[in-house]
Amino acid sequence: EIVLTQSPGTLSLSPGERVTLSCRASQSVHNYYLAWYQQKPGQAPRLLIHDAFNRATGIPDRFSGSGSGTDFSLTISRLEPGDFAVYYCQQYGSSVYTFGQGTKLEIK
Amino acid sequence: QVQLQESGPGLVKPSETLSLTCGVSGYSISSGYWWGWVRQPPGEGLEWIATIHHSGSTYYNPSLKSRVTISVDTSNNQFSLTLTSVTAADTAVFYCARHDYSGYYFDYWGQGTLVTVSS
Repeated sequence: EIVLTQSPGTLSLSPGERVTLSCRASQSVHNYYLAWYQQKPGQAPRLLIHDAFNRATGIPDRFSGSGSGTDFSLTISRLEPGDFAVYYCQQYGSSVYTFGQGTKLEIK
Repeated sequence: QVQLQESGPGLVKPSETLSLTCGVSGYSISSGYWWGWVRQPPGEGLEWIATIHHSGSTYYNPSLKSRVTISVDTSNNQFSLTLTSVTAADTAVFYCARHDYSGYYFDYWGQGTLVTVSS
């Protein structure tokens, strides 16, 4: 089973800043089967990025994904107030889905 | 628009069985896609539990497999989860979700339901 480790645990930033979140896998992620989700308090997660770098429907181009193998990143180019939330990466491999432990973006 | 809604008891006693149902509207389960359950303990991260196809094919989280059953009821357009021998560690918000067309991700989610394990 692939373990996903996200870093950092918490980031304090200001609106307008650019941020890159990291997701590292314990083994190579097959075929770029990696996604990113955003979760706000009291809400279900929302799919942002799939297949490592493809934006889901309706997701603004401020959000971009990159990476391969064991190292993946989510970049938000210009933070807006609604972007402060928890972000999770998720991978699929060998009939198992695993999530990272999350990175919390908070307003500085 | 696809909508999912979890239902079931909010309180379960230790050692008993947790049972939840996910009602789906806006899409017929028998038309395809995979459907799954994800849980989130209070203040913690997400954990995938199980996934099912309308045909009945299933995948389970290896760490929970011995206690979990996922099933589908196409006639009522819903799918269900049972988790046996629950303990306080099973207290969580349980989400039902639809996998996207590829089956590798989750694109539609229910609002979640909190299940507390306590005597």
